Amino acid sequence: QVQLVQSGSELKKPGASVKISCKASGYSFITYTMNWVRQAPGQGLEWLGWINTKTGKPTNGRGFTGRFVFSLDTSANTAYLQISGLRADDTAVYFCARGGGAWANFDNWGQGTLVTVSS
Amino acid sequence: QSVLTQPPSVSGTPGQRVTVSCSGSQSNIGSNSVNWYQKFPGTAPKLLIYSNNKRPSGVPDRFSGSTSGTSASLDISGPQSEDEADYYCATWDDSLNGVIFGGGTKLTV
Repeated sequence: QVQLVQSGSELKKPGASVKISCKASGYSFITYTMNWVRQAPGQGLEWLGWINTKTGKPTNGRGFTGRFVFSLDTSANTAYLQISGLRADDTAVYFCARGGGAWANFDNWGQGTLVTVSS
Repeated sequence: QSVLTQPPSVSGTPGQRVTVSCSGSQSNIGSNSVNWYQKFPGTAPKLLIYSNNKRPSGVPDRFSGSTSGTSASLDISGPQSEDEADYYCATWDDSLNGVIFGGGTKLTV
């Protein structure tokens, strides 16, 4: 069955960087896009952007350019989200989500990775 | 402030029909299909409705979706206690050139 397994929780200081992994199994990795979504404490869902797993081309959502970098290791069926210059308001649970074919159709999700930014 | 507007909360009893609304504009709901997600605290969102009104395998048929113009609705016929969760609408926005989510609606049964 389709599974997306993310790396564990992270505690980082302001200004640091973090790299979250999302390992896919149970399907052909390059057949579906990979998206990233976050949820800050007490807030709703925010789409960060997506990466074309066939070409490796990333596309950042508005408001998430510069510090947010999407990448792949197709040999390991793994997608990555790296965030640099962490700020307190980056504290959130970050999810990877497989693109189900149409925009905003995310048919399988990772379990989430909590990133806490605190001095 | 989300581009898609949802009520913060709705409530209902098992004998009722509950509707969660999602209001947008021509550049999003008016032009693109809508998806709905169910989210419990501490867990990942789950795709509940896709392409406006289709249910993935395993989703109970008490959940249904519809759209009209620049609005979308999620109907729950006879909500169960296990349906108490947050519900989010999502679609593509042509002006923002990205995926947008509604602010979420908490269902109490």
